[in-house]
Amino acid sequence: SQQGEEDPQALSIQEGENATMNCSYKTSINNLQWYRQNSGRGLVHLILIRSNEREKHSGRLRVTLDTSKKSSSLLITASRAADTASYFCATDAVGSSNTGKLIFGQGTTLQVKP
Amino acid sequence: ETGVTQTPRHLVMGMTNKKSLKCEQHLGHNAMYWYKQSAKKPLELMFVYSLEERVENNSVPSRFSPECPNSSHLFLHLHTLQPEDSALYLCASSQIGDETQYFGPGTRLLVL
Repeated sequence: SQQGEEDPQALSIQEGENATMNCSYKTSINNLQWYRQNSGRGLVHLILIRSNEREKHSGRLRVTLDTSKKSSSLLITASRAADTASYFCATDAVGSSNTGKLIFGQGTTLQVKP
Repeated sequence: ETGVTQTPRHLVMGMTNKKSLKCEQHLGHNAMYWYKQSAKKPLELMFVYSLEERVENNSVPSRFSPECPNSSHLFLHLHTLQPEDSALYLCASSQIGDETQYFGPGTRLLVL
């Protein structure tokens, strides 16, 4: 069964606005990651948050993790047209760290209009 | 993006053809992965190689055959594929113990 589910599936905003994407998962995790994918390209790692962390920042990115609700959010502040991409959350599962197995959500497609 | 390269970038093949996808990582990593990305579906993990040994095979049909001759190279051999196998095939690498994976640009495969 799918581990990560993201919402919204699509998001369209104006440049300068903030974008928030959410991810829910089902099993216990060691960590949760967010990746970005430009159309038809490979994924690029953005940020990793561990299960004992609640919030993490990296530049204009802010990630929160609520293990009691099994959910995470990615906030992009002051968005730019170059932020247009699909964003995926990925989780490992407790006990799977030796294999590097990640389970990805379906992703949120973000469009930032100039 | 040059840390992990994939060739070819685009491939069109008939159902009776045999082709191979190639992935090379220049990051000194010791784990490599094949993923399949189809439209409207989550990224699906196909194979995991750790220290050149296959450690994960997610019930992938035998018409997909991986090969990892060394820690820098990963192949996916394709034969008698079906149209539903058309997808973006992504390769990734990582260092064991580091959860971050580094992806190649993918091979866009179309099976006619």
